[in-house]
Amino acid sequence: EAQVTQNPRYLITVTGKKLTVTCSQNMNHEYMSWYRQDPGLGLRQIYYSMNVEVTDKGDVPEGYKVSRKEKRNFPLILELPSPNQTSLYFCASRPGLSTDTQYFGPGTRLTVL
Amino acid sequence: GQSLEQPSEVTAVEGAIVQINCTYQTSGFYGLSWYQQHDGGAPTFLSYNALDGLEETGRFSSFLSRSDSYGYLLLQELQMKDSASYFCAVRSSSNTGKLIFGQGTTLQVKP
Repeated sequence: EAQVTQNPRYLITVTGKKLTVTCSQNMNHEYMSWYRQDPGLGLRQIYYSMNVEVTDKGDVPEGYKVSRKEKRNFPLILELPSPNQTSLYFCASRPGLSTDTQYFGPGTRLTVL
Repeated sequence: GQSLEQPSEVTAVEGAIVQINCTYQTSGFYGLSWYQQHDGGAPTFLSYNALDGLEETGRFSSFLSRSDSYGYLLLQELQMKDSASYFCAVRSSSNTGKLIFGQGTTLQVKP
């Protein structure tokens, strides 16, 4: 089954404790993104990657890091989580720039205390 | 700045037709897409317009007018399961494929 998976789905952590949210897709997509969703603000792009070893900042990259060492994986790293990073996070992938059809993962609800 | 405007809430009855509007102001425009999100779930792609006019996919249609920086999603024969949030998104860059999302419209379908 073609899908985007994220882990963990739910996480409660404390300020300053490094964490990684994994994202994996099995559709051989080139393009992957991370979004955060907050009430009243819609989906805001954090980082995106157009291919292996090619990543760039989205609209709200502060406090986040990403890596793209393999085509299928695009982990999101919070090295020093803070309470303002409490949010619902979605990973998404799409075949490439020829289409705007994105496939979203199930989401990760993160709470930073 | 770049922005997309959608109504925050829309209510309609089962079997009716509802239109959700989206106006945009972006530095570039390379297409308008629509996504549906049920409460707590992942957004799912509904439709895409790159050129002016109407695109139809079953009960859902999407329209675009680039000269007016405006589009809408039309949902016909509403069903209870259509109760969800609907987001419009503009592709603002051809090189990066960057998508800018609206804040979403919550549609409530009543019996």
